[in-house]
Amino acid sequence: DAGVIQSPRHEVTEMGQEVTLRCKPISGHNSLFWYRQTMMRGLELLIYFNNNVPIDDSGMPEDRFSAKMPNASFSTLKIQPSEPRDSAVYFCASTGQSGTDTQYFGPGTRLTVL
Amino acid sequence: KNQVEQSPQSLIILEGKNCTLQCNYTVSPFSNLRWYKQDTGRGPVSLTIMTFSENTKSNGRYTATLDADTKQSSLHITASQLSDSASYICVVSARQGGKLIFGQGTELSVKP
Repeated sequence: DAGVIQSPRHEVTEMGQEVTLRCKPISGHNSLFWYRQTMMRGLELLIYFNNNVPIDDSGMPEDRFSAKMPNASFSTLKIQPSEPRDSAVYFCASTGQSGTDTQYFGPGTRLTVL
Repeated sequence: KNQVEQSPQSLIILEGKNCTLQCNYTVSPFSNLRWYKQDTGRGPVSLTIMTFSENTKSNGRYTATLDADTKQSSLHITASQLSDSASYICVVSARQGGKLIFGQGTELSVKP
């Protein structure tokens, strides 16, 4: 298996632009998580899906952020409009049904908003 | 408030030496505790997962311990190698299958 796939790996955009990050979870995994990592705040959970349904989005910072999972093999995290403080590495992770299953992280998308 | 605190924030050791990283949490009700290793520029990789009933779990040279009474965990690295240089993150789950609370991580540097 190729593992969790994220694209793009790097994104540089100007403030105000729309940004879309993509994730393909490991085949057969039921849960998908979006995280943001910065030096100041470390890793933060933004939202997670179980069987394509959003379960907890309390970590989404504000209305500019939205996430979708139209099917079991694809998810997007959209920021519109983007701001410089959104600059971070965004990770996607997937796991099986059990709460003690290992979470497998993707390589991350490094976002820079100028 | 659910929190996870790690110490030290950073650590430098010589190759071949042992070290221990600490994790204290206030998460309740507790479900499980995980240790991740994150190399620079890469996503975290799981080292161990422990539930309430487990006191220790090993993964090669990595041994994690858990004291659910005192809400403390440690990660012991034996005979460190240069490749152990990374950030080690303690993560606690408040409920099965639910949200994970991340510590800030310990930055370990192993020098030759």
